[in-house]
Amino acid sequence: EAAVTQSPRSKVAVTGGKVTLSCHQTNNHDYMYWYRQDTGHGLRLIHYSYVADSTEKGDIPDGYKASRPSQENFSLILELASLSQTAVYFCASSDRQGYAEQFFGPGTRLTVL
Amino acid sequence: GDSVTQTEGQVALSEEDFLTIHCNYSASGYPALFWYVQYPGEGPQFLFRASRDKEKGSSRGFEATYNKEATSFHLQKASVQESDSAVYYCALRANNNNRIFFGDGTQLVVKP
Repeated sequence: EAAVTQSPRSKVAVTGGKVTLSCHQTNNHDYMYWYRQDTGHGLRLIHYSYVADSTEKGDIPDGYKASRPSQENFSLILELASLSQTAVYFCASSDRQGYAEQFFGPGTRLTVL
Repeated sequence: GDSVTQTEGQVALSEEDFLTIHCNYSASGYPALFWYVQYPGEGPQFLFRASRDKEKGSSRGFEATYNKEATSFHLQKASVQESDSAVYYCALRANNNNRIFFGDGTQLVVKP
């Protein structure tokens, strides 16, 4: 069974502080993704990665950085957290094969005060 | 650009009702089309996919048929249960990349 874990599951941060969200997958997948979920907006892609040590910008990358130090790990970094970044964040992984589905983690609820 | 439109933000039904959630897409060629389901407090889960015109995808009593002419992939279930209450996402993956574009989701509420 595919497994994607995220830490922390919940976090409260202060405006202007640095936040790091971590994701770990044991699926041996090449592709990993970070999404943001807001009520009424569904899932929006922030950053993604095809291979270790390389990341790509998604649809809403501003205010976020990503790091992929290994095939298994993918982090999302908020250097200066803002109120507007309060949301639920999901990590996902997928195989490189055509039409492969994405496997999602349980999500991290981030509240910026 | 590639996109998915789900017209219903919320659908409220009673148990044993027939379900239809509408999904239309915009993309060139034959993108792969997906349905995902998200239960409260969890991440989205893959439900099924289709990648060719007139192909039917199905799982757990849900089904959808790829309609190239209408650019649609509507989700249906003959008889819903309270346990089907969740958010359903339609998504597509274009042929030329590994990104998936999600619709805004449809909240299904099934009353006993």
